[in-house]
Amino acid sequence: KAGVTQTPRYLIKTRGQQVTLSCSPISGHRSVSWYQQTPGQGLQFLFEYFSETQRNKGNFPGRFSGRQFSNSRSEMNVSTLELGDSALYLCASSLPGNPNTIYFGEGSWLTVV
Amino acid sequence: QKEVEQNSGPLSVPEGAIASLNCTYSDRGSQSFFWYRQYSGKSPELIMFIYSNGDKEDGRFTAQLNKASQYVSLLIRDSQPSDSATYLCAVLGSGNTGKLIFGQGTTLQVKP
Repeated sequence: KAGVTQTPRYLIKTRGQQVTLSCSPISGHRSVSWYQQTPGQGLQFLFEYFSETQRNKGNFPGRFSGRQFSNSRSEMNVSTLELGDSALYLCASSLPGNPNTIYFGEGSWLTVV
Repeated sequence: QKEVEQNSGPLSVPEGAIASLNCTYSDRGSQSFFWYRQYSGKSPELIMFIYSNGDKEDGRFTAQLNKASQYVSLLIRDSQPSDSATYLCAVLGSGNTGKLIFGQGTTLQVKP
């Protein structure tokens, strides 16, 4: 059974640019969540999607956005990149209402220069 | 007060010893608790989850939950050098949500 797949795995962007990250959940998983991990702040929740609807949102500026498609695949976008956006972005998928099925992808390492 | 607190460590134990990792949380409505292991440069890997007060054992790992004290712990018996990693405590937000709230993580070093 394939796990959570995130692309790209590594990328370098310049300040002011935008970036789009993709996440394909485990087959059958319809809930997708995104997290940002930095050395200073740790793992922080960005947002959660279920059935193409954002169900929860973390405390991040509006530059961070996401969406989910009908096949449960999800994308997140960060516009007007700042140096502080350099982080590991993690996607997790799960079966709704079954928290013990939360599994993380390998993550996308974003470096902003 | 942080929602989920862990001692950042590092916690150093000799090979074969019991490692004890602790976590406290602030939301009394929390119902589900998780321990993840994260190796350097890798994504978090689910080790255990626990819902009910008491102990839950899985191989060398035992999770302990005390909701009255808002306290979760993870015991690793017969610690191995391969257990050296950062251990993240996570609490599922209350309500119908998949939002995990993580502690800062405890770094465990198992010395041969």
